[in-house]
Amino acid sequence: DTGVSQNPRHKITKRGQNVTFRCDPISEHNRLYWYRQTLGQGPEFLTYFQNEAQLEKSRLLSDRFSAERPKGSFSTLEIQRTEQGDSAMYLCASSQQGLRIEKLFFGSGTQLSVL
Amino acid sequence: AQSVTQPDIHITVSEGASLELRCNYSYGATPYLFWYVQSPGQGLQLLLKYFSGDTLVQGIKGFEAEFKRSQSSFNLRKPSVHWSDAAEYFCAVRDENNAGNMLTFGGGTRLMVKP
Repeated sequence: DTGVSQNPRHKITKRGQNVTFRCDPISEHNRLYWYRQTLGQGPEFLTYFQNEAQLEKSRLLSDRFSAERPKGSFSTLEIQRTEQGDSAMYLCASSQQGLRIEKLFFGSGTQLSVL
Repeated sequence: AQSVTQPDIHITVSEGASLELRCNYSYGATPYLFWYVQSPGQGLQLLLKYFSGDTLVQGIKGFEAEFKRSQSSFNLRKPSVHWSDAAEYFCAVRDENNAGNMLTFGGGTRLMVKP
């Protein structure tokens, strides 16, 4: 169990550019979550997958954001035409469905800075 | 919709002193409640959780929390703080409106420990 892995750790981009982040969950976990955390705030839910199906999306997830989990393993989060307001820490978490209380395991996050 | 409030943005305690971090929630039914800790550069780590039964729950690292339905609170406590406890602490409640395990987080409390 190597934990939830996120890459890159840091990303600096210019406004208007596209960025993509990757999350590798714990291998036996079938649920994967994306959260966004801005400075001084708690994490906010963006979207989640059960296996390869994207089952829920927050209203925070604008049309410029897209997430995929093509084979039910790793996931990518893409932001198109980045804006300065997208600057945040993007956190990925995974869990195993079926337990009475699912325990979310979080990665260390990708810190995005949009200049 | 559910919400979580952590009234204290910053708290400073001396090493060896006791600690209590406040958390109030708004929720329609019996909540599933969590406390997470986030150290710089680290992912969120689950300290403890409550979903039913004994209202005093024990967690890792010597932390405990007490669920008080009448006060809609789930305060985190530790009898003697160590310098390594300096971090940001988040209270969270599980989303009641869907089958996933999405969490709503409070804004966090940053704990500083004086030597």
